[in-house]
Amino acid sequence: ETGVTQTPRHLVMGMTNKKSLKCEQHLGHNAMYWYKQSAKKPLELMFVYSLEERVENNSVPSRFSPECPNSSHLFLHLHTLQPEDSALYLCASSQEGARTEAFFGQGTRLTVV
Amino acid sequence: EDQVTQSPEALRLQEGESSSLNCSYTVSGLRGLFWYRQDPGKGPEFLFTLYSAGEEKEKERLKATLTKKESFLHITAPKPEDSATYLCAVNAGNNRKLIWGLGTSLAVNP
Repeated sequence: ETGVTQTPRHLVMGMTNKKSLKCEQHLGHNAMYWYKQSAKKPLELMFVYSLEERVENNSVPSRFSPECPNSSHLFLHLHTLQPEDSALYLCASSQEGARTEAFFGQGTRLTVV
Repeated sequence: EDQVTQSPEALRLQEGESSSLNCSYTVSGLRGLFWYRQDPGKGPEFLFTLYSAGEEKEKERLKATLTKKESFLHITAPKPEDSATYLCAVNAGNNRKLIWGLGTSLAVNP
């Protein structure tokens, strides 16, 4: 496989469920990101991992919990979500540095019911 | 406050009708401007990075240009497969955080 792969592509969960989103990158990058994309809003950066260490957490509610076991894998653990958390969740990776572009996965469409 | 504004919000073209999309930015210390293409229900696909005013990059029917205040994405003789949302993002000094526009939704009719 090549690029950035996210699973599952679609997820429907109840407000009391616990689920996890998975991301894997095959680009040899050392930074990984979680973004949230909602209608009529710009992409929102949620978390950044650089060299497997979390370096940014942009005021994200604790019901979202990231995990980065190594430089190729990233998880987003979800629990007791709210309907307003329904969105497209995107994983991205890049080589650390301001002048490098990020490459995105296909996203997970999450619906909270 | 750092800000990125894209216009128009939506654009409908006939096949072969060239046009331009605009990305204007107000940031302190531009370190890179990125263009992405996004198809419905999919992740953004990287197109171009521009670093300094006067820089231009081309790929097939697309050409991106950069000034000190804005960037243009020129689409020459578009085809229906160019239909997508085009996103602009700016890196403004922070090593990792990009400031994103809302995108331009482009529809090209055959």
